[in-house]
Amino acid sequence: GAVVSQHPSRVICKSGTSVKIECRSLDFQATTMFWYRQFPKQSLMLMATSNEGSKATYEQGVEKDKFLINHASLTLSTLTVTSAHPEDSSFYICSAGAESRNTEAFFGQGTRLTVV
Amino acid sequence: AQKITQTQPGMFVQEKEAVTLDCTYDTSDPSYGLFWYKQPSSGEMIFLIYQGSYDQQNATEGRYSLNFQKARKSANLVISASQLGDSAMYFCAMREGSGSGGSNYKLTFGKGTLLTVNP
Repeated sequence: GAVVSQHPSRVICKSGTSVKIECRSLDFQATTMFWYRQFPKQSLMLMATSNEGSKATYEQGVEKDKFLINHASLTLSTLTVTSAHPEDSSFYICSAGAESRNTEAFFGQGTRLTVV
Repeated sequence: AQKITQTQPGMFVQEKEAVTLDCTYDTSDPSYGLFWYKQPSSGEMIFLIYQGSYDQQNATEGRYSLNFQKARKSANLVISASQLGDSAMYFCAMREGSGSGGSNYKLTFGKGTLLTVNP
């Protein structure tokens, strides 16, 4: 079946540094990927829609300069958290859909970011 | 107004019994899809079941079935013969639109229900 791989699964970084998270569709092409954020014991909130070859679409309240999204190929989207602060500590998870199977959105394994 | 409402923050069920997790939704789009995902403590999102708005029959996948009541805008998940491994967070989610084209995989999630299966 369709697989989405996300890396790294866990990362700890210092305040002020940047962290890049990768999301790959392994066996299908994804023109669109989605980035979600989940705080402990809360739901998944959509941050942005990543579009291959064009700018990402950010949800209201999400700082585009802080959360940089690049979707340079049909199988890879990256989320870079710039100048990370402790309040950016969260679980970040990506998803993508395969056009041949419209009954399921496939999720990566998620990345647990801790900013110290 | 919330698009997906899960009114049960937590549910308990005895092993081998059935449990129903509630989900109501709100949309004016005639074409939509409803999903249930399981999220164990590891964080991964495990797809369980899907129901399309035009599907005539309730979806079933093994021990999972979806009680789809379109007029009431509800899509409750029924887990039969609960197992200890079913203990996890369960999310109901909705996709608005036909689902064709990658942009239609944008999901809106409910707040989730934490299911605990007791031995």
